Amino acid sequence: DAKTTQPNSMESNEEEPVHLPCNHSTISGTDYIHWYRQLPSQGPEYVIHGLTSNVNNRMASLAIAEDRKSSTLILHRATLRDAAVYYCILRVNTGFQKLVFGTGTRLLVSP
Amino acid sequence: NAGVTQTPKFRVLKTGQSMTLLCAQDMNHEYMYWYRQDPGMGLRLIHYSVGEGTTAKGEVPDGYNVSRLKKQNFLLGLESAAPSQTSVYFCASSYDRSWENIQYFGAGTRLSVL
Repeated sequence: DAKTTQPNSMESNEEEPVHLPCNHSTISGTDYIHWYRQLPSQGPEYVIHGLTSNVNNRMASLAIAEDRKSSTLILHRATLRDAAVYYCILRVNTGFQKLVFGTGTRLLVSP
Repeated sequence: NAGVTQTPKFRVLKTGQSMTLLCAQDMNHEYMYWYRQDPGMGLRLIHYSVGEGTTAKGEVPDGYNVSRLKKQNFLLGLESAAPSQTSVYFCASSYDRSWENIQYFGAGTRLSVL
């Protein structure tokens, strides 16, 4: 399975932007980059996904490097509710497409 | 707007007991999944189903069985529980398309095996 590397933890202050990095140097041309997050005591929830171009939705933005070997999830204004573990996942686009979760980045948000 | 519902939310078992975890989804999704999450780790796939009447093994299937008799339900069974199966179990579902496979997760079942 394609592998991603994320920092174990990051800290931010409320209402500041947060940039969560992910390295995926072994990504292939058809692998999608997915981000999920897991709030305390809850199941994971989908955040955003992309293939090559940068993506925006109501929750976040996804910036994908030109060579696709890394990406960054951007939370434009962190809130206390954004404190969670963020998972960067490569969804392999061949056959059955499963999500392979790593250990993610724990984001701490201070008031 | 229920989404994915898991029952029960908590359970304590003694070693050797059996139980069934129920997952129900109301989104008419074809694909359903069972994961387990141990402390400090990401989710690991136990079993999955690509449609009613089908099941397949994931990464860590040993000690578990599953059934998908109805499209909306996916059951996870432990025939003889062991302390190593103490974990939080998550069910998920997705409407798989060739370019999109967003999974929707339940709130989890916290299981302790003594």
